[in-house]
Amino acid sequence: DIQLTQSPSSLSASVGDGVTITCRASQSISIYLNWYQQKPGRAPNLLIYAASSLQSGVPSRFSGSGSGTDFNLTISSLQPEDFATYYCQQTYSSPGEFTFGPGTKVDSK
Amino acid sequence: QVQLVQSGAEVKKPGASVKVSCKASGYTFSRYGITWVRQAPGQGLEWMGWISGYKGNTKYAEKFQDRVSMTTDTATSTAYMELRSLRSDDTAVYFCARLLVPAAGEINWFDYWGQGTLVTASS
Repeated sequence: DIQLTQSPSSLSASVGDGVTITCRASQSISIYLNWYQQKPGRAPNLLIYAASSLQSGVPSRFSGSGSGTDFNLTISSLQPEDFATYYCQQTYSSPGEFTFGPGTKVDSK
Repeated sequence: QVQLVQSGAEVKKPGASVKVSCKASGYTFSRYGITWVRQAPGQGLEWMGWISGYKGNTKYAEKFQDRVSMTTDTATSTAYMELRSLRSDDTAVYFCARLLVPAAGEINWFDYWGQGTLVTASS
């Protein structure tokens, strides 16, 4: 089974900061990697699909990069509404099988 | 606009079954699948399985293979997830989401989500 790890597990940042979250796969997954944002009490929201494609309606301060085993989600200038938990998800292991990373919580410094 | 609206909260005793519904609107139901993801209190996201909106093909996560059933009613564009033999650690919010019907070599993602249904398994 392909495992995903995320680092850090949590971070504290201020509005205007640049933030980068890393997701690492236990084996190569090409670009079969998505990123979601989840706020407390809400459903997750798709931010990035296929490692670097921005979902429609998502602000351009969010970007994704990487391929193979190492991936990054970057927020260029953190906004108040960006304090949330971020999850990566892989879709490579078998058609129709999905795994989420453990999540990274971004809170206010 | 695409919407997925789930049924309301449920309280069940351990050993019972629960059936959660997810009504889709704003798109052609048969062209997509519905997937189910759960989240225990304070925990991360756990994928459970998916069902095709066209032929009703299913794929379940190995962990739930023996206890879950996913079905659809194409006449009402509604998907259902039934979980049997509930245990206390099945207490969670259950989400449905839309996905493309998976195919080999194709990248996939969950682009629209329901609001979530809290299922509490407690004696």
